[in-house]
Amino acid sequence: AQTVTQSQPEMSVQEAETVTLSCTYDTSESDYYLFWYKQPPSRQMILVIRQEAYKQQNATENRFSVNFQKAAKSFSLKISDSQLGDAAMYFCAYIGAGNNRKLIWGLGTSLAVNP
Amino acid sequence: KAGVTQTPRYLIKTRGQQVTLSCSPISGHRSVSWYQQTPGQGLQFLFEYFSETQRNKGNFPGRFSGRQFSNSRSEMNVSTLELGDSALYLCASSFQQGLEPYTEAFFGQGTRLTVV
Repeated sequence: AQTVTQSQPEMSVQEAETVTLSCTYDTSESDYYLFWYKQPPSRQMILVIRQEAYKQQNATENRFSVNFQKAAKSFSLKISDSQLGDAAMYFCAYIGAGNNRKLIWGLGTSLAVNP
Repeated sequence: KAGVTQTPRYLIKTRGQQVTLSCSPISGHRSVSWYQQTPGQGLQFLFEYFSETQRNKGNFPGRFSGRQFSNSRSEMNVSTLELGDSALYLCASSFQQGLEPYTEAFFGQGTRLTVV
């Protein structure tokens, strides 16, 4: 069975600084997708960034980028120039490309941004 | 375009009762998935519906059931509520149809269920 592990329950960063959130996963599938979702206090889950396993190039979305290490099964999220609005719970999630289309989630990292 | 709408936002029920939660997907989306979010277990997949058929199911007891209507709206039902069913229930819709490359799931704001 696939698992997703986020080893940092809480993180903090100073405004305008850079922070990296860690995520590791375990799977026997060769084709899959990885995601980082943000959940602010409003509880709405918002997609931050996605990575297709078959792509070697790391995904980037503005201030958000990932370091995808397929062999190590590692998928970290880097937030550059942190802003107060980045404060939220961040979840790493996995979905296989096969028939069983369900998101498997890590337990989340609570990110605080200090002014 | 309206987002995913879940009703009600908050619900308090008594042990042993049953509850029905509703999810209206984004227009044009035919896939609806449900997730349970608790502080201890995190987010866990309940089930996915597509074109009124349950396509995938998670590891939850039979007290948890769902259905999808012809307009893609979905309902989730929990019977004989237990204290442990207290959670945030999230619904997500996507345009996903078959096994083409995964398309993004859009989430509602959830229904906070408290069982007392």
